[in-house]
Amino acid sequence: AQTVTQSQPEMSVQEAETVTLSCTYDTSENNYYLFWYKQPPSRQMILVIRQEAYKQQNATENRFSVNFQKAAKSFSLKISDSQLGDTAMYFCAFIPSKNAGGTSYGKLTFGQGTILTVHP
Amino acid sequence: DTAVSQTPKYLVTQMGNDKSIKCEQNLGHDTMYWYKQDSKKFLKIMFSYNNKELIINETVPNRFSPKSPDKAHLNLHINSLELGDSAVYFCASSPRLQGASLGYTFGSGTRLTVV
Repeated sequence: AQTVTQSQPEMSVQEAETVTLSCTYDTSENNYYLFWYKQPPSRQMILVIRQEAYKQQNATENRFSVNFQKAAKSFSLKISDSQLGDTAMYFCAFIPSKNAGGTSYGKLTFGQGTILTVHP
Repeated sequence: DTAVSQTPKYLVTQMGNDKSIKCEQNLGHDTMYWYKQDSKKFLKIMFSYNNKELIINETVPNRFSPKSPDKAHLNLHINSLELGDSAVYFCASSPRLQGASLGYTFGSGTRLTVV
């Protein structure tokens, strides 16, 4: 079974600064996908960024980038030039690839979440 | 608008009642899911349907019964509601089971409060 761990329950950052959210995961699969989702106070789950495990290059989406360390099973999210609108709960999530079998197939497993507050 | 829509957004009901939450997606996706987010914000999968077929059924009380009349709809019916059922329930979809690697598209959630 897969597990996803976010060890930082809460983080805060000043507007315009950079913050990094940590995530580690445990799996025996070799092919999988990792995600960061954002949940603002509106409750909507928003996909922020996606990483394919077989790609060594770290994914980037504008101010959001990841540091993917496959051997260490680590997948951190870096938010640059933080904005007030980045205030939200952030979830790291894992899903095995289509070539993996077992009971985890198609199941997106989430970490516990990190509450990020951006201060003006 | 293309989306995953859930109704109702808020539901307050008494213990022992039976209630349903409806979900519809117009994205043309084959696979739909129900997730429960508890008071600590932890998200856990409950069910998954692929083209109307039940694929994932986690350890969920029998009082919860999903129904998928077609691949665009996945409803959740809950019998004999208990205080512990209070949570936010999210519906989600993905292009197909194999396409879940692209991530899910989530509905806006239904906050269920049992009193």
